[in-house]
Amino acid sequence: EADIYQTPRYLVIGTGKKITLECSQTMGHDKMYWYQQDPGMELHLIHYSYGVNSTEKGDLSSESTVSRIRTEHFPLTLESARPSHTSQYLCASSVAAENQPQHFGDGTRLSIL
Amino acid sequence: GDSVTQMEGPVTLSEEAFLTINCTYTATGYPSLFWYVQYPGEGLQLLLKATKADDKGSNKGFEATYRKETTSFHLEKGSVQVSDSAVYFCALRGSSGAGSYQLTFGKGTKLSVIP
Repeated sequence: EADIYQTPRYLVIGTGKKITLECSQTMGHDKMYWYQQDPGMELHLIHYSYGVNSTEKGDLSSESTVSRIRTEHFPLTLESARPSHTSQYLCASSVAAENQPQHFGDGTRLSIL
Repeated sequence: GDSVTQMEGPVTLSEEAFLTINCTYTATGYPSLFWYVQYPGEGLQLLLKATKADDKGSNKGFEATYRKETTSFHLEKGSVQVSDSAVYFCALRGSSGAGSYQLTFGKGTKLSVIP
């Protein structure tokens, strides 16, 4: 089984707050990803990282930022949360080799009031 | 670019019915293909995969065959159970360049199995 952890699982918070969603993996994977999943289920890649000190924006524009200071840790930050940020956020990781799947955490369901 | 098209849902079946969820793809080269399952309130779990043409992935009674000639990877199960109720995602991982690390997902198909 994959070992990738996201905290918190659920977060309800007011507008304007700074939020950090945590993601950690214990598999030593170089590649890590953040997806936003809308209520219609579709997944959108918002950030990815190919290794320490590497971060890139994904296909969907997001006001969030990410950092990758350690291999195992890939936090996502919203400086000032807004109701439009309400969504489920999924973190994933993978090895560099081709043909290998991504492994997902259980997600964080974020609600901004 | 790469794309995945999967059958729109929701799909509602009676227990023990046969399941097919269609998935077709567009990609250059030889992508790897995956089916993921998402149970309510959880993240995505890898269900099965196939990495080359004519490979058959299987797990928990589900099967899918990588058909390069029809660019398809349809998911099948002979007899569904209530516990199979979930959202199913077809995905591909490209075979070259930046696309070889990223997954391209279909939009998901919600399956409900009723007793």
